[in-house]
Amino acid sequence: AQSVTQLDSHVSVSEGTPVLLRCNYSSSYSPSLFWYVQHPNKGLQLLLKYTSAATLVKGINGFEAEFKKSETSFHLTKPSAHMSDAAEYFCVVSGGFKTIFGAGTRLFVKA
Amino acid sequence: NAGVTQTPKFRILKIGQSMTLQCTQDMNHNYMYWYRQDPGMGLKLIYYSVGAGITDKGEVPNGYNVSRSTTEDFPLRLELAAPSQTSVYFCASSYWKRQGWTNYGYTFGSGTRLTVV
Repeated sequence: AQSVTQLDSHVSVSEGTPVLLRCNYSSSYSPSLFWYVQHPNKGLQLLLKYTSAATLVKGINGFEAEFKKSETSFHLTKPSAHMSDAAEYFCVVSGGFKTIFGAGTRLFVKA
Repeated sequence: NAGVTQTPKFRILKIGQSMTLQCTQDMNHNYMYWYRQDPGMGLKLIYYSVGAGITDKGEVPNGYNVSRSTTEDFPLRLELAAPSQTSVYFCASSYWKRQGWTNYGYTFGSGTRLTVV
């Protein structure tokens, strides 16, 4: 069985401050984990992925995530938020040929 | 490299009409999917395909049909459109490596915004 929980439905940060979007997962398999971003009225774009290589994964636009097996977490971080980061972010877990999408976290960035 | 191409981008249907949403990918991905996204919600899987000639139902298949005659194409058919089918539809593809069942990530189309009135 698999599940994914995004712990915050909304996160608000000021421009230039760090971003933390939290994701916990469960999986009976060795999972692949992903973060996707969706800007308003756009499709989903892959930010980064973990597929059993290095546990610290670097993605596009300065985002990174760390796979922590002991904590079953895959939190997304960025050192300094930019206005263009305002979007919806989805955490995704894949394993044993099943993929589960999280409910999403909306990131607001204040000037 | 076009990725996943969906057409049309927008469509308004009357109740009871039918239509086909087109989806094409040029990455030779083995798996393809149709999702719907309702306002403020995540993605719900409608149908998926593991290869040409093979399709299966997802979470919300009622009112839809699919076919996959080629690796590249995965059209979604709406029969007898209903207001509950008003949504944004996304086609996606991915490559699953069967050894170890590793998914290398989805590529999404830009979406079709459908309104049924």
